[in-house]
Amino acid sequence: EVQILESGGGSVQPGGSLRLSCAASGFTFTSHAMNWVRQAPGEGLEWVSGISGTGASTYYADSVKGRFTISRDNSRNTLYLQMNSLRAEDTAIYFCARELVVVAATQLDHWGQGTLVTVSS
Amino acid sequence: QSVLTQPPSVSAAPGQKVTISCSGSSSNIGNNHVSWYQQFPGTAPKLLIYDNYKRPSGIPDRFSASKSGTSATLGIAGLQTGDEADYYCGTWDSSLSAGVFGTGTKVTVL
Repeated sequence: EVQILESGGGSVQPGGSLRLSCAASGFTFTSHAMNWVRQAPGEGLEWVSGISGTGASTYYADSVKGRFTISRDNSRNTLYLQMNSLRAEDTAIYFCARELVVVAATQLDHWGQGTLVTVSS
Repeated sequence: QSVLTQPPSVSAAPGQKVTISCSGSSSNIGNNHVSWYQQFPGTAPKLLIYDNYKRPSGIPDRFSASKSGTSATLGIAGLQTGDEADYYCGTWDSSLSAGVFGTGTKVTVL
């Protein structure tokens, strides 16, 4: 059974940093690209970042480019999102989601339950 | 601001059919596969459709989808009260080298 579990969310002041983790199990981790998708309170889905199965290719939304870094440790079946220079508008539930295929295509077949990030002074 | 446009809401009586449109451009829908997601309040999205029209196992055939040019459509037939949720389209944008989602549509069963 595919399982995806995010952790690392919490409250942080503007300008601060957080690192989200996503532990995956039940499938061959390297055979799937992985993504972070967020949802601000009362808002729609926003794709944040994606990474290929090998980790060689990474992609970012313009809204987080230069501030967030996606990475994966295939030996630990874990995805990460390092978030720096956080802003109030980064406040959202962050979902980790598995791509159907090894490359980024935004066809996300398994999702975690999400972890809440709150940026406030 | 999303690059894929959906109607904010659609509604119909139980048993009827609704369709949700998703409008994009040649850099996204026009040249990439479209997926559709269902989301209930307080829960994670669930994949309904991938590769424009394919249904994952367990998704009833009441849910159907198609793509034409730079637009895609999700249909829900035999509407049930349990279908009340938010629905999102998604795809890759080759110009942005980024994923994109639609603005979301709330389905209401009258």
